[in-house]
Amino acid sequence: GQQLNQSPQSMFIQEGEDVSMNCTSSSIFNTWLWYKQDPGEGPVLLIALYKAGELTSNGRLTAQFGITRKDSFLNISASIPSDVGIYFCAGNFGNEKLTFGTGTRLTIIP
Amino acid sequence: GAGVSQSPSNKVTEKGKDVELRCDPISGHTALYWYRQSLGQGLEFLIYFQGNSAPDKSGLPSDRFSAERTGGSVSTLTIQRTQQEDSAVYLCASSLASTTRAAQHFGDGTRLSIL
Repeated sequence: GQQLNQSPQSMFIQEGEDVSMNCTSSSIFNTWLWYKQDPGEGPVLLIALYKAGELTSNGRLTAQFGITRKDSFLNISASIPSDVGIYFCAGNFGNEKLTFGTGTRLTIIP
Repeated sequence: GAGVSQSPSNKVTEKGKDVELRCDPISGHTALYWYRQSLGQGLEFLIYFQGNSAPDKSGLPSDRFSAERTGGSVSTLTIQRTQQEDSAVYLCASSLASTTRAAQHFGDGTRLSIL
């Protein structure tokens, strides 16, 4: 089946730094989604990408749908304390069930 | 509320008991999904409903797991004869339609603990 490799698994940064994480898939997707999950809550949709090459921003967040349709990245600029959490990439191809990455845990060092 | 609602938020039960988990999707969303998230892991697809079509059950881990969606809205996930490995957070999501531009929106999940 499809596999999503998400990296890095964890990040320790200082407030104000920029963050970058990415996902690669063993097969192509039609949709890439990025979610953030806080403890005890469900994943919250951050950015949705629907077209190869698409670059989309949501405030300090920017994500891109790779040209090959097998990868995507998420950047966070000027991190703030509320950015702490686990970030998941997810993708699907027509049949609607999402395949999720294993997550990137973001920690901000005081 | 405006979001996906799940109940109960927490469930503790003894091994061998049956459990029912409920999901109320966002109003107007025709597609509904169940996922399972084990501690520190990503989400694992279980089952998908779209309108009146037969559900995609390809992710259900065993025949102890079943789900139904009544009236095209509320869904119930049932786990029979629970085992300790069933302990996880069960998440429900809904989306507008079965199209490639319908992002899935999640509830806060039911945390299931099997003693």
